[in-house]
Amino acid sequence: EVQLVESGGDLVQPGGSLRLSCAASGFIFSNYEMNWVRQAPGKGLEWVSYISRSGSPIYYADSVRGRFTISRDNAKNSVYLQMNSLRAEDTAVYYCVRDLRYSGSFDDWGQGTLVTVSS
Amino acid sequence: DIQMTQSPSSLSASVGDRVTITCQASQDINKFLNWYQEKPGKAPKLLIHAASNLETGVPSRFSGSGSGTNFFFTISSLQPEDIATYYCQQFDNVPFTFGPGTRVDI
Repeated sequence: EVQLVESGGDLVQPGGSLRLSCAASGFIFSNYEMNWVRQAPGKGLEWVSYISRSGSPIYYADSVRGRFTISRDNAKNSVYLQMNSLRAEDTAVYYCVRDLRYSGSFDDWGQGTLVTVSS
Repeated sequence: DIQMTQSPSSLSASVGDRVTITCQASQDINKFLNWYQEKPGKAPKLLIHAASNLETGVPSRFSGSGSGTNFFFTISSLQPEDIATYYCQQFDNVPFTFGPGTRVDI
């Protein structure tokens, strides 16, 4: 069974940093592209970042480029999202998402981790 | 960036009704479009991939069609458990973008 378990969400002050982790199991992690997708409270879904199987290429949404960094460790079956210079508008549930069929096809989702940016 | 629009933004229907949601892309995305169901407090669930392919285990009352810029999502006979918000999403180009969602109530 495919499992994606996010962790690292927390309350952080504006301008602060946070690192999210996603532990994958139930499949050969190194064979699949991964993404982070977020949902602000009461809002719709927003794709945040993509990382290929090898770690390159990487893509970001304009709203986070230059502040967030996606990475992966295939030996640890994990993908990460380093978030710096956090803003109130980054408050959201962050989902770890696997691409099974195509880049960006968002086939399998974790349960999400909540990031709250507030003073 | 490819903009995705959905209509209606919300709808209310009766059990057993046929419900159709429309999704439009701002440019041709071939069939690179998915449909998701989201229930409160839960992660989105992929229902339809590549415009018209039903995910394994998803009830056959759900269906999708379309290509290019115009897509349709249909629930042939609405059930109480279908109360949710439904999103379309294109994966033809980065940035991958979602429609604003359609809330379905009974």
